Amino acid sequence: AQSVAQPEDQVNVAEGNPLTVKCTYSVSGNPYLFWYVQYPNRGLQFLLKYITGDNLVKGSYGFEAEFNKSQTSFHLKKPSALVSDSALYFCAVRDSGNTGKLIFGQGTTLQVKP
Amino acid sequence: DGGITQSPKYLFRKEGQNVTLSCEQNLNHDAMYWYRQDPGQGLRLIYYSQIVNDFQKGDIAEGYSVSREKKESFPLTVTSAQKNPTAFYLCASSPRTADTQYFGPGTRLTVL
Repeated sequence: AQSVAQPEDQVNVAEGNPLTVKCTYSVSGNPYLFWYVQYPNRGLQFLLKYITGDNLVKGSYGFEAEFNKSQTSFHLKKPSALVSDSALYFCAVRDSGNTGKLIFGQGTTLQVKP
Repeated sequence: DGGITQSPKYLFRKEGQNVTLSCEQNLNHDAMYWYRQDPGQGLRLIYYSQIVNDFQKGDIAEGYSVSREKKESFPLTVTSAQKNPTAFYLCASSPRTADTQYFGPGTRLTVL
């Protein structure tokens, strides 16, 4: 069965420091991977995706993610965190069938402190 | 959130009542989706529609129903058969099934 795991419920970083939010996946075939961010009582905002090609994917708001096939990981990164980055982050993988369904991790709360 | 609207933002329902959540998009997307979000869990797929006049059950369809009579609209009805309907409901759309999904602002449903 396909799945996504986000091993950390919460990540705390100081403003200006680099941040990493971890994601590992299990799929059959080639993975199509996504990161979304959710602010309180809001919908999800698309950050970036990996379909194929370069293992380092750049996205919105200075975020990037590194695809590692051997470790089945797709960690979200940012070189310098902002307080405004504090939010709930979801990693997702597209289901291998033709549904377009996204399989989500349980989410990681990022807390950036001044 | 731009291009996808959900209403109402907050909805309160008494037990035994059916309620309908609205989802509209002006992005000309073919595919639309309904997800449910519970605290500490990822999103789970309720129903999806790849094209107008067609829809399919997702992972947790029991107690829910949908229609797709127009391309831009995909309303979700939460019926009295749904045993635990209190949740945050998110609608999404994508140009085609395989494309990136974009989400609406959500509707928070509370059963009193």
